[in-house]
Amino acid sequence: ETGVTQSPTHLIKTRGQQVTLRCSSQSGHNTVSWYQQALGQGPQFIFQYYREEENGRGNFPPRFSGLQFPNYSSELNVNALELDDSALYLCASSRTPTGLSSYEQYFGPGTRLTVT
Amino acid sequence: GQQLNQSPQSMFIQEGEDVSMNCTSSSIFNTWLWYKQDPGEGPVLLIALYKAGELTSNGRLTAQFGITRKDSFLNISASIPSDVGIYFCAGHQAGTALIFGKGTTLSVSS
Repeated sequence: ETGVTQSPTHLIKTRGQQVTLRCSSQSGHNTVSWYQQALGQGPQFIFQYYREEENGRGNFPPRFSGLQFPNYSSELNVNALELDDSALYLCASSRTPTGLSSYEQYFGPGTRLTVT
Repeated sequence: GQQLNQSPQSMFIQEGEDVSMNCTSSSIFNTWLWYKQDPGEGPVLLIALYKAGELTSNGRLTAQFGITRKDSFLNISASIPSDVGIYFCAGHQAGTALIFGKGTTLSVSS
């Protein structure tokens, strides 16, 4: 069984730029959630995708957007990067969306984004 | 954003000792999850709890879903060096995403 994979591993961007992060869900999982983890903090929910549509969103501005593809992989896009966007971005997949039955989410290794 | 209260923030113990940590909230949760995160990695699911009062074990780890549904506890027995890492609790309320605590950092000296 293939686990959750994310790319790239590390990324350095300049304030104002745009970034795209990618995630492949674990086999058999159809739901992908994205989290932002600042240094010394727990993960903060950004949004979730199920059936290629956004299925819940946390307290993040619209410049954070996403996509889910038919093979359940997903992208996180962040426009107009700010210094505070520097964090570890985690992708988690699950068999069903949270709010239905299974709340067990399995995380990828994350993408470390640094904004200078 | 909302976060759960985890304590202690950090622990320094000797190999072989037992460890206890807990997570509390002012809100009721339907599900409690415990994760471990190693440096440079994503969190790994350790235990999931779905029912108030539930006690679940995974090897040397035991977790409990508090009877009030506002707290959860994780115990590690006979700690070993590979237990080092950051332990996160996460709670789920109906219709929302997982809410995480700030983590408990565990250090084990041999």
